[in-house]
Amino acid sequence: DAGVTQSPTHLIKTRGQQVTLRCSPKSGHDTVSWYQQALGQGPQFIFQYYEEEERQRGNFPDRFSGHQFPNYSSELNVNALLLGDSALYLCASSGRGRGGTEAFFGQGTRLTVV
Amino acid sequence: KQEVTQIPAALSVPEGENLVLNCSFTDSAIYNLQWFRQDPGKGLTSLLLIQSSQREQTSGRLNASLDKSSGRSTLYIAASQPGDSATYLCAVKSGGSNYKLTFGKGTLLTVNP
Repeated sequence: DAGVTQSPTHLIKTRGQQVTLRCSPKSGHDTVSWYQQALGQGPQFIFQYYEEEERQRGNFPDRFSGHQFPNYSSELNVNALLLGDSALYLCASSGRGRGGTEAFFGQGTRLTVV
Repeated sequence: KQEVTQIPAALSVPEGENLVLNCSFTDSAIYNLQWFRQDPGKGLTSLLLIQSSQREQTSGRLNASLDKSSGRSTLYIAASQPGDSATYLCAVKSGGSNYKLTFGKGTLLTVNP
């Protein structure tokens, strides 16, 4: 079992550019959530996808958007990058839409905006 | 709005010591609580999941307890080892919003040989 996999692991972008991060969930999982973790802080919820729909969204601007594919993998897109978007972006997957299931996280993508 | 607090923010102990990490949350209507470990610059590793109906969970040298009514959880680590050095994060999934996890800022643990 490969677990949750994210790509790329590191990324450097310039202010104003756009970025796409990718996530493949753990085998058997159908729900994908994205989190942003600034240095020294706990992860903050961005949004969650289930059945290819955005099910819930955190307090993030519309510059942050996502997509879920029929194979349950997901993308996080960030437009018009700001310096403050520099963070570790974490993807989590859980199973079959039930709220009580355990969340498993990937290794994260470190985004640096210069 | 659910808020999660972890105390202490940092802890340094000698190898072999037993230790307790604390987590508190403001809204007791939770679905579950999860403890994670995070190594520097890495992702999160799930350690223990406690459902709202449970009082504790154990895995090896780790034991997590949950007191939902008082909004508290503790993670007990027995016979600590240098390899336990990491940041430990507590997260709750609230009953009113049972999709997202709300995290504390974590406890940075250093176990000295």
